[in-house]
Amino acid sequence: GESVGLHLPTLSVQEGDNSIINCAYSNSASDYFIWYKQESGKGPQFIIDIRSNMDKRQGQRVTVLLNKTVKHLSLQIAATQPGDSAVYFCAVFNDYKLSFGAGTTVTVRA
Amino acid sequence: EAGVTQSPTHLIKTRGQQVTLRCSPISGHTSVYWYQQALGLGLQFLLWYDEGEERNRGNFPPRFSGRQFPNYSSELNVNALELEDSALYLCASSSTGLFFLYNEQFFGPGTRLTVL
Repeated sequence: GESVGLHLPTLSVQEGDNSIINCAYSNSASDYFIWYKQESGKGPQFIIDIRSNMDKRQGQRVTVLLNKTVKHLSLQIAATQPGDSAVYFCAVFNDYKLSFGAGTTVTVRA
Repeated sequence: EAGVTQSPTHLIKTRGQQVTLRCSPISGHTSVYWYQQALGLGLQFLLWYDEGEERNRGNFPPRFSGRQFPNYSSELNVNALELEDSALYLCASSSTGLFFLYNEQFFGPGTRLTVL
């Protein structure tokens, strides 16, 4: 099976600063990783993904880093904005199902 | 294009009752997934349906069941409700999930179930 854990349940960040959210997974055979954002009252929304044959992938203001040696995944958000306030989940795809971490609540301070 | 829709949005039941939640996938999607999100926790995978068949199941008791209809909509049934079943139930859909490569799942807004 797969267990997914997040290092910090909450993160408070100053508007304009960079945010880093971390995630650890257990199954070394896992090969697909996704970050989701969930705003209050909504379902999770896809942010960015990465496959195990990569160690970095960049999107618009977001970067995902994958360290397969230590089974660690991180999401970096550049120049954090108030609209980035949400719960962020990492998810690992394995055995035809997604396993989610518990989520990190990001609060952006003005 | 309409996203994934779920009904009802909120539901209050008492312990021991039964509940049915409904999900309509994005047009053209054949796979439907159900997840349970208890307060403050991550999503727990419940069920995956594709082309009318149950393809995978999470670690939940048999009183959690469901089905997928020919139009690819889906129902989640929970029998003999317990207090700990109180949660947000999320449905997601994707194009067929039968291939090795992951197909992005699009989530609905969820049904908030409260069991008293």
